[in-house]
Amino acid sequence: AIQMTQSPSSLSASVGDRVTITCRASQGIRSDLGWYQQKPGKAPKLLIYAASNLQSGVPSRFSGSGSGTDFTLTISSLQPEDIATYYCLQDYSYPRTFGQGTKVEIK
Amino acid sequence: EVEVVESGGGLVQPGGSLTLSCAASGFIFRSYWMTWVRQAPGKGLEWVANIKVDGSEANYVDSVKGRFTIFRDNAKNSLYLQMNSLRAEDTAVYYCARDSTVFESFAYYDVLDIWGQGTMVTVSS
Repeated sequence: AIQMTQSPSSLSASVGDRVTITCRASQGIRSDLGWYQQKPGKAPKLLIYAASNLQSGVPSRFSGSGSGTDFTLTISSLQPEDIATYYCLQDYSYPRTFGQGTKVEIK
Repeated sequence: EVEVVESGGGLVQPGGSLTLSCAASGFIFRSYWMTWVRQAPGKGLEWVANIKVDGSEANYVDSVKGRFTIFRDNAKNSLYLQMNSLRAEDTAVYYCARDSTVFESFAYYDVLDIWGQGTMVTVSS
């Protein structure tokens, strides 16, 4: 199975800060990667698909980049409602695999 | 409204069985792959299984192969997860998700775009 390694596992930033989360695949996965946001006690929500495409309705402060093995999720200006855990998910091969998650908190 | 709603969770003893259900509405269920994802208490997300539109193909994570079976009833707009030989490590919230295929930049991508609220399964004596 492809291993997805996210970093950092948690971060604390101020409102308005630029936040970057990375995800590394154990082998090349082209652009077959999505990013999901999970708020406490809630179901996950799709943010980004195909590594860099914003899902409909998602604020434009979220963006994704990368291909092959290295991927990035960026929040250009952190807002209080962005407090959540973020996960990457590869859809290149089975079994699908998630990263271990990055918990984002407000400083 | 497009939604999926899980049910069937509960407390079960180790070695026991349980079947989860997921009722879909607001979209053409028979046109979509469907997926189960689970989350152990305080832990991250784990992809469990998915199933093709007509039920003819299914994929599983290694840890549940031979114990769990995903199946669907398109006439009832419902997805199921039959879980046998349950272990303590199967304790988790189980989410049902719609598995959509998106065409972008000359390639197809799978996305989990609709999620249910989850149903809790506790395996304990």
